[in-house]
Formats: sequence, structure tokens, C-alpha cells
Amino acid sequence: DAKTTQPPSMDCAEGRAANLPCNHSTISGNEYVYWYRQIHSQGPQYIIHGLKNNETNEMASLIITEDRKSSTLILPHATLRDTAVYYCIVRGQNFGNEKLTFGTGTRLTIIP
Amino acid sequence: DVKVTQSSRYLVKRTGEKVFLECVQDMDHENMFWYRQDPGLGLRLIYFSYDVKMKEKGDIPEGYSVSREKKERFSLILESASTNQTSMYLCASRNPGFHQPQHFGDGTRLSIL
Repeated sequence: DAKTTQPPSMDCAEGRAANLPCNHSTISGNEYVYWYRQIHSQGPQYIIHGLKNNETNEMASLIITEDRKSSTLILPHATLRDTAVYYCIVRGQNFGNEKLTFGTGTRLTIIP
Repeated sequence: DVKVTQSSRYLVKRTGEKVFLECVQDMDHENMFWYRQDPGLGLRLIYFSYDVKMKEKGDIPEGYSVSREKKERFSLILESASTNQTSMYLCASRNPGFHQPQHFGDGTRLSIL
């Protein structure tokens, strides 16, 4: 699986859009980009995933660059409950490759 | 919404006990997973199951076993608990298809004394 690089921390004002970047310059053609978040003492929460097209769901939008070497997770109107560690993961689709490897992630703090 | 429920949020057991951790999902997912999460070590896959009665070893299966008798339920068993098994245990489930995302429960924080 490709390695990802994320900033260790970010702040965002409540009500503003939070834009979390992720670099995955070694991504290969069949690897998807996934975003999870984890609030302290809770299990990871799935947010969104995509292959090459931009994706949107009720939680967030995922923007993947045309060369697929980086992506941005957008939380359109951040609330205090969005304070968490956000993980960007790239995974291949090989049989038996089931483990999820979380890097160090981005600690996002929403400021009132 | 996907709901993955783990039977206990916090559990304290003694060395040598047999410990059962239960996980139930309500989305008819075929695939289920057990991880442990430790500071500095991240998520580590213990066992997973593609379907009822099936099980596959993950990266750290030693000291653990699993049971999948029903599609919605995946149990993790610590055969003889040891202090190095003190950890946060996380269960996840997924629709079949390797690109499908895994959905996690809230975890069981297990302490072995």
C-alpha cells in the first residue's frame, strides 16, 4: 500500500470549511483513498473513499487531484464535534490484503 | 447507518482467564475483522472472517482465537489472558469487495491484571 503524508495538526474556526490535505505520491492505479477519523477513546469512523473521481456524502467531500498523487478532505461547515484525528489511507485491492494501516494522521481542532 | 456493536466498552480480567469479546453488526455484512490498537503501534489485525464458519489469521493471531457461527456475530477469544494483551480491541465489518470500507465499533478497552 502507498505511503501517505499528512500535516500533524490543523486548526479551523467553527462554521468554516476544514480542508485536510493528504499526499500519496506513490499511489498505484488500483489503490483507493480512504478517510477515517477517530475521536479519543472511540473507534475509527469511516468518512469517505474514492478512486479517482471527486466524491461527496453527507459528512464530507473528497477531492482527488488528476494525477492522484494527493487529495483533500473537506468538512464543509466544521462543528466542535469534528475535533478528532483524521487519517488518510491508501489501500490496494489484493486478496488477503485486509489490514488497515493508519499513519499518524492530522489532529484537527475546531476553535469556537 | 452501519451499526457495529461491541459488547463491553471497558473490561477488567485476570491473568490466565479465558476472555470473550463479542461483536455484532446489523448491516448483513459478510466480512468481519478484529484489531487491537496500542499507542505507538497503531492498528494491528488479529483475525478476520469472510463469511460464516470462515476465519483467516491476521498479523498477530497468537494467543487469540475467533468464532463466526452467525453472519452478524464475530467473537474474539483470549484463550489464557496475559498482561501484554491489555489493549483497545476494535471490531469492524464490511460488505464484500476489497474496496468497500470497513466500519468500526466503539471498541473494548480490556485490562488484564
